[in-house]
Amino acid sequence: GESVGLHLPTLSVQEGDNSIINCAYSNSASDYFIWYKQESGKGPQFIIDIRSNMDKRQGQRVTVLLNKTVKHLSLQIAATQPGDSAVYFCAENKGSGYSTLTFGKGTMLLVSP
Amino acid sequence: NAGVTQTPKFQVLKTGQSMTLQCAQDMNHEYMSWYRQDPGMGLRLIHYSVGAGITDQGEVPNGYNVSRSTTEDFPLRLLSAAPSQTSVYFCASARDRLNTEAFFGQGTRLTVV
Repeated sequence: GESVGLHLPTLSVQEGDNSIINCAYSNSASDYFIWYKQESGKGPQFIIDIRSNMDKRQGQRVTVLLNKTVKHLSLQIAATQPGDSAVYFCAENKGSGYSTLTFGKGTMLLVSP
Repeated sequence: NAGVTQTPKFQVLKTGQSMTLQCAQDMNHEYMSWYRQDPGMGLRLIHYSVGAGITDQGEVPNGYNVSRSTTEDFPLRLLSAAPSQTSVYFCASARDRLNTEAFFGQGTRLTVV
């Protein structure tokens, strides 16, 4: 298995369920947030993003919610499928420069048929 | 439609050896970066570039050099490999400073013995 998955929080769901993956960010000044999906043996793949002037953004089967009061970000996946099994990372941009994008440690989502 | 291409996919080095990890993108992105991914650590930024001829350090730059002579290529050089550099390395490119919809390569798994 991929070493990136060791010691990660894990969410196990049944196919068809809705999944919610949570992320706490650190900097109240962060202005941009991104969710990435990483399948075993592959690089991270962009899923959805949200700017700090928004509370919610929807994509295809995914919704990102931003709660700036408690510095919390969540990714909701509707009708989860086995192909959604992966490690999910949130990232925050803490400042105005390119080097200020910081990734969280990730959550592993396991979907059972 | 290649996106971001990294070579090699796997590499084993002896302590003290040097090598270059290659990264090329065909999307005409100005922003490119190198990350390392270790178990339980998420992705950490090593070096980045905001355009040809311009590079800067990220969070963990020690032991690595980069150059950006063209928009397409962004090689990462390990000058004298150490076991602490055993990791999975990802190159990414993006169209703006926020890393909007960044594209990642497939990764290079490096082992230093």
